Formats: sequence, structure tokens, C-alpha cells
Amino acid sequence: QKEVEQNSGPLSVPEGAIASLNCTYSDRGSQSFFWYRQYSGKSPELIMFIYSNGDKEDGRFTAQLNKASQYVSLLIRDSQPSDSATYLCAVRNTDKLIFGTGTRLQVFP
Amino acid sequence: EPEVTQTPSHQVTQMGQEVILRCVPISNHLYFYWYRQILGQKVEFLVSFYNNEISEKSEIFDDQFSVERPDGSNFTLKIRSTKLEDSAMYFCASSVGTGVGEQYFGPGTRLTVT
Repeated sequence: QKEVEQNSGPLSVPEGAIASLNCTYSDRGSQSFFWYRQYSGKSPELIMFIYSNGDKEDGRFTAQLNKASQYVSLLIRDSQPSDSATYLCAVRNTDKLIFGTGTRLQVFP
Repeated sequence: EPEVTQTPSHQVTQMGQEVILRCVPISNHLYFYWYRQILGQKVEFLVSFYNNEISEKSEIFDDQFSVERPDGSNFTLKIRSTKLEDSAMYFCASSVGTGVGEQYFGPGTRLTVT
């Protein structure tokens, strides 16, 4: 059973701080990794994807991948209250995405 | 910016009835997917579709489910005889390619089976 694990949270950070979200996956052969943001009652919104070991930055977001440790993370710099949402880690397996349960992030003013 | 659209946004149906959920994928995308999310649970894969064929399906996607691309733009999910446990958000997604292709999700259809 291929799994994606995330801490459900909530992760509470003050406005302006760095939020660090983590994800581990079980299938060592996985090649593609995604972070989605999901506001309550809404659909997943793709915010980052990463395919190679190392860091990938896009604005305030940095995705980090360590395939040897089977670990993916998402850093959000200068967190804003509007970043409060559930962040879903997803790993591609053949055609499909396997999702974690998500980490709820709360950014307080 | 192109986006995936879905209709209806909310569907209420009685147990045993058939429902059809509709999706319009992003126009240059070739791969289409259905996922569902039961309230409070994780997003689960149902089926992927490419070149007018199912390319992969999950254990959830049993004989009660079917998908179709009836024309050049729509992609539908049919549930023949709904059960209470089919109540969930159903998301359509599409991608340009597979392998490393990013999947973009529609806004979802909330299905409530009574």
C-alpha cells in the first residue's frame, strides 16, 4: 500500500513567520511531488511541484525534496493570515496522485 | 487563465438514483481524472482517462461508476445507483501529459445522497 503521511496539525504560526510543512512517502520509486492548498469547502489548488532532489523556490514558497529520505517539505516565508488553509502533499504513482491527509496551517495576526 | 469547470456545484439525489457529474477540462489537456473527498477525509483517486479510454482505476471505481467523453469538451462521471456512502465532493482534474504532468482541479461537485 503506497502511502503519503503528513502531520494533521494544526500548525499555528504568527504572521510574518516561516511555516514549515512536512510529508513522507513510502514508494521509493516515486518521481513527482506536489503541494496543493485547500481552503475549507474548496478544491485543491496546485501551488508547487518538484521532481528533482534539492530546493525549488517560487515567490514565498520553497519546496524541498530528499528522495533518499523519502521526504518532501514546503516552506512558506512571510506567512500571511490568507495562507491559513490545509496543505496537501501528493505523490504521483503511475497516472494517479496519492494524497496525504493534509496539514492544517493557521496564521494568526 | 484557463481552468477546469464542473457542474453542478451541488447535487442532491435519493439512494438508488443515477447521477451524472460534468466537467470541462482545460482545453489543451489530454489526461482527465476524477477524485473524490469524503467530508473530513483525504482526496482519493477514482479513475484516469486518456485517448477515450480508462487508463487506470481504483478499487472504489466499481461497476456502478462509468466515465465518458461524449464530445470534444465534456468529461462525465456517472454513478448508476447511488448509495449513501457515495456522498462526497467529486473533483475533476486534467493535465497536459502524464509522467510528470501537473494536475489541475476543478471546483468540485458536492454530491449528497439521501
